[in-house]
Amino acid sequence: NAGVTQTPKFRVLKTGQSMTLLCAQDMNHEYMYWYRQDPGMGLRLIHYSVGEGTTAKGEVPDGYNVSRLKKQNFLLGLESAAPSQTSVYFCASSKNLGTEAFFGQGTRLTVV
Amino acid sequence: AQKITQTQPGMFVQEKEAVTLDCTYDTSDPSYGLFWYKQPSSGEMIFLIYQGSYDQQNATEGRYSLNFQKARKSANLVISASQLGDSAMYFCAMSPQGGFQKLVFGTGTRLLVSP
Repeated sequence: NAGVTQTPKFRVLKTGQSMTLLCAQDMNHEYMYWYRQDPGMGLRLIHYSVGEGTTAKGEVPDGYNVSRLKKQNFLLGLESAAPSQTSVYFCASSKNLGTEAFFGQGTRLTVV
Repeated sequence: AQKITQTQPGMFVQEKEAVTLDCTYDTSDPSYGLFWYKQPSSGEMIFLIYQGSYDQQNATEGRYSLNFQKARKSANLVISASQLGDSAMYFCAMSPQGGFQKLVFGTGTRLLVSP
């Protein structure tokens, strides 16, 4: 029962470096999401996808890019990391509209 | 635009007592879903309960119930018979139904259950 798996779990980047966070789900869900969680601000939607090959901007998309080449995978890229992107990143997926989203375990990213 | 407001940064309750976590929302969507998630100190997000805006009855899941008052735009979570393991952050969230499901979260309430 893997559910939603995020890779890596922890990462430290230097300002200006790039990286990609991988999210994989094995539930055949259509919808996938990337959120960031900052203290006192709850979770905020970065980008989301409603199906393979589609992506859309969420609430805080600047500085991030995403791709959904395969239904089961949703990648989040940081082209040039900034300290403001220090956060915990959560990936989630859901089957249908109006149903619960299942979350990955989170990735703690620190940009120094 | 949708907005979720959780006005209680922290709540304390004694073991075996009931506790209510407040959530109010604002939306212009005709139909929507309301969710509660639990985030323990380990960090994962755990789905607790869901309420659809057209559901006639309040949702219940074991010790969790959702006190849904549509006219007041509130969706409070009630935890009965609190347990030490209930200590965690609790997030209220909503999404539109019939459109893209973009969960919008509140800022959360930290619940501490004491013996």
